Amino acid sequence: SQTIHQWPATLVQPVGSPLSLECTVEGTSNPNLYWYRQAAGRGLQLLFYSVGIGQISSEVPQNLSASRPQDRQFILSSKKLLLSDSGFYLCAWSVTVYGYTFGSGTRLTVV
Amino acid sequence: KNQVEQSPQSLIILEGKNCTLQCNYTVSPFSNLRWYKQDTGRGPVSLTIMTFSENTKSNGRYTATLDADTKQSSLHITASQLSDSASYICVVNDGGATNKLIFGTGTLLAVQP
Repeated sequence: SQTIHQWPATLVQPVGSPLSLECTVEGTSNPNLYWYRQAAGRGLQLLFYSVGIGQISSEVPQNLSASRPQDRQFILSSKKLLLSDSGFYLCAWSVTVYGYTFGSGTRLTVV
Repeated sequence: KNQVEQSPQSLIILEGKNCTLQCNYTVSPFSNLRWYKQDTGRGPVSLTIMTFSENTKSNGRYTATLDADTKQSSLHITASQLSDSASYICVVNDGGATNKLIFGTGTLLAVQP
């Protein structure tokens, strides 16, 4: 079966510290992968998407970066976190225009 | 600009009552429209998916409608339960090669006993 794993579930980091959130997918090949962020009281916003290994597209300018070192692994990173990076981060994957599955999310609080 | 707008922003209803949530979109091109349920601190879970040619789709007590001409959709919840308390998000897929989703800001539903 197809599953998506995202960790950690919650994270509290000081301003200026680095960040690494990981997402892995099982049971499928060559998925499209996505990172979304949901700020408090706001809708989900697409941050990055990837259609293949090493192929990353950024939707909005920001303090974050993404990488796809393997077909089913998607990593969200930052060298120095800002307070405004706080939010709920969701990884998602799709292989068809109809299939779209979200991970369980990471609650990031930058203090 | 591609946008998805939802109303109301929040809604409180009594257990057992029905309710209808609204969604207007300006996304083009259009592939499909989805309704998701998102519990606090969790990832969204798909309720319904409708293509351009579909007018209605049901999933248990959830019924979604779509009018592609007016670019409007609604989600009707019948005989609400306490567990229906969540955020309901309308999402439009532009159907492009990257299969991106455009999210509404959601309607926060609270079902009270």
